[in-house]
Amino acid sequence: EAGVAQSPRYKIIEKRQSVAFWCNPISGHATLYWYQQILGQGPKLLIQFQNNGVVDDSQLPKDRFSAERLKGVDSTLKIQPAKLEDSAVYLCASSLGTETEETQYFGPGTRLLVL
Amino acid sequence: AQSVTQLDSHVSVSEGTPVLLRCNYSSSYSPSLFWYVQHPNKGLQLLLKYTSAATLVKGINGFEAEFKKSETSFHLTKPSAHMSDAAEYFCVVSVSGNQFYFGTGTSLTVIP
Repeated sequence: EAGVAQSPRYKIIEKRQSVAFWCNPISGHATLYWYQQILGQGPKLLIQFQNNGVVDDSQLPKDRFSAERLKGVDSTLKIQPAKLEDSAVYLCASSLGTETEETQYFGPGTRLLVL
Repeated sequence: AQSVTQLDSHVSVSEGTPVLLRCNYSSSYSPSLFWYVQHPNKGLQLLLKYTSAATLVKGINGFEAEFKKSETSFHLTKPSAHMSDAAEYFCVVSVSGNQFYFGTGTSLTVIP
């Protein structure tokens, strides 16, 4: 079974530039998550989708971050404009999304460096 | 509101000795609890999970954890550490598949 795919794996940009990350979840997984993991910290949930609807985006900095999951499969996370403090690993995860099966499977992450 | 506290940021053990990584949680509802492991430059991998069934949960690679409601704890243990166990470990709480909260992580070092 293919895992969660993310691209790119690495990205270096200058502050005030824009960047986008892509995630392809495990086939059949209804729920998709985006996390931000700053060096030395645990992952912080940015946004959670159930199919193509947003379940939780309470910790998403909406002035600069946006995410979409058109057609309920792939998802993109965008930062515009980027700040230095956005340097982090951005993790995508997916799960079946049922109450009895909520285990999340993580992709390898995209490491972002903002200069 | 939900939260987790990992009581140790770093734990160091000798190979072959027991491992104890401590996690306390706070939840207004019946939580689900998870332990994930993150090896350097690799993705997060599920070790084990508690979802209101047996309180003693067995996971992969010989790890297990016990859910203690009275102590609001979900400590991770392993009888004998192996060099390959060196990694970052995260305790996670959620309610009904939503609002996942990660702890700050515990870095495990295994001394040969």
